[in-house]
Parts: sequence; C-alpha cells; structure tokens
Amino acid sequence: AQRVTQPEKLLSVFKGAPVELKCNYSYSGSPELFWYVQYSRQRLQLLLRHISRESIKGFTADLNKGETSFHLKKPFAQEEDSAMYYCALSRTDKLIFGTGTRLQVFP
Amino acid sequence: ETGVTQSPTHLIKTRGQQVTLRCSSQSGHNTVSWYQQALGQGPQFIFQYYREEENGRGNFPPRFSGLQFPNYSSELNVNALELDDSALYLCASSLQGSDTQYFGPGTRLTVL
Repeated sequence: AQRVTQPEKLLSVFKGAPVELKCNYSYSGSPELFWYVQYSRQRLQLLLRHISRESIKGFTADLNKGETSFHLKKPFAQEEDSAMYYCALSRTDKLIFGTGTRLQVFP
Repeated sequence: ETGVTQSPTHLIKTRGQQVTLRCSSQSGHNTVSWYQQALGQGPQFIFQYYREEENGRGNFPPRFSGLQFPNYSSELNVNALELDDSALYLCASSLQGSDTQYFGPGTRLTVL
C-alpha cells in the first residue's frame, strides 16, 4: 500500500541552525513527491516537488529511492520558516499525505 | 487569477444531519479534489471530479458524495453525519493530468 511517513510531530530549532524534516514513503513504481507547507492562518501551499529539483525559500529535498526517503533540508533556519510541513506522494493525481511535522524556529 | 475558494468557513451540525460544502476552483482549472483533515492528521483523499464525473475515490463510505458543475465548481455532500466526520474539509483544484494541486482555505465542520 502507498504510504507516507513523517516520524516527527514536532521539530524545534534555533534561528540559524540546520533543519531536516524527515519523510519516508512506500510506493511500487516511480513516485512523484512533494512538500507542502501551511503557515499560521494560511492555506496549504506547495513548497517544492522533487521533479523540479529546485530550491524554494532555501529548502531542498532529494529523492533517495534506495532509502525511500524525501527529506526536506535547509542549512540555516529562519523564524519565518515556522509552520506545518507535509510530505505528499502523488498517485494518479491524488495526493497521499503524511501526518505532518510542525517546525518551530526560535529566535 | 482567482484562487480556490470554499464556503462556508465554519459549520456546526448534529449527528444524523446532512451537510453540503462548496468549492470554486482556481480560474482555468478543470479538476477538483476533496480531502478530509482530522485534527493532528494529514489530509486524506475523499474523491476527485473531472468533467462533472467522479474520477477516483479514496476509502470513504458512499454517504460522502459530490458534484461538479459545468463551471468546474464543486460540492461535497455528507449524509447521516457522524461525530468522526468532524474535520477540516479541503478542496483543491488542478488541471487534469497535472499533479500540482492548489488548495482552498478549508471548511471546518463540527458534528455534535
């Protein structure tokens, strides 16, 4: 069965520290993977997708098929990065989400 | 460009009642997907509509039904409400064949 696992409910770091939000998936086939972010009182929005291999707001994510992972990384966290982050897998245009990780960045 | 809108913002119903939630898709998008997000959980796929027909369904009972209209807006209907239906209901629009979905702000449904 297709599944997305985000093992951490909460990740707290200080401003300037590196951040890694973990995401593991199970999927038979070539996955399309995404990171969505939800800032306080805002709607869920796409942060990045693995296929575009771009860096958004300093975040990057590399698909590791051997480890079935798609971890989200940022070398220096900013206070404005505080939000809920959801990893998602696309299957026939439907998204399968993980349970999310709340990132708190302290000043 | 108009984003995805949903109405109402909040709704309170009692067990056994029926509810209709509405969604207007982003301009130019022809596909609408609905998700249920329970407290502390990620969004779960309910179903998707394309060209006014259901185009995929998640693991939800038949009392969850939907419609899509010629202008691509959509409704989610839930009959015989249960306490566990209390959740945030998200609508997302996209172009058919694209895996990038744009989400609305959601409707928070509380079932008492």
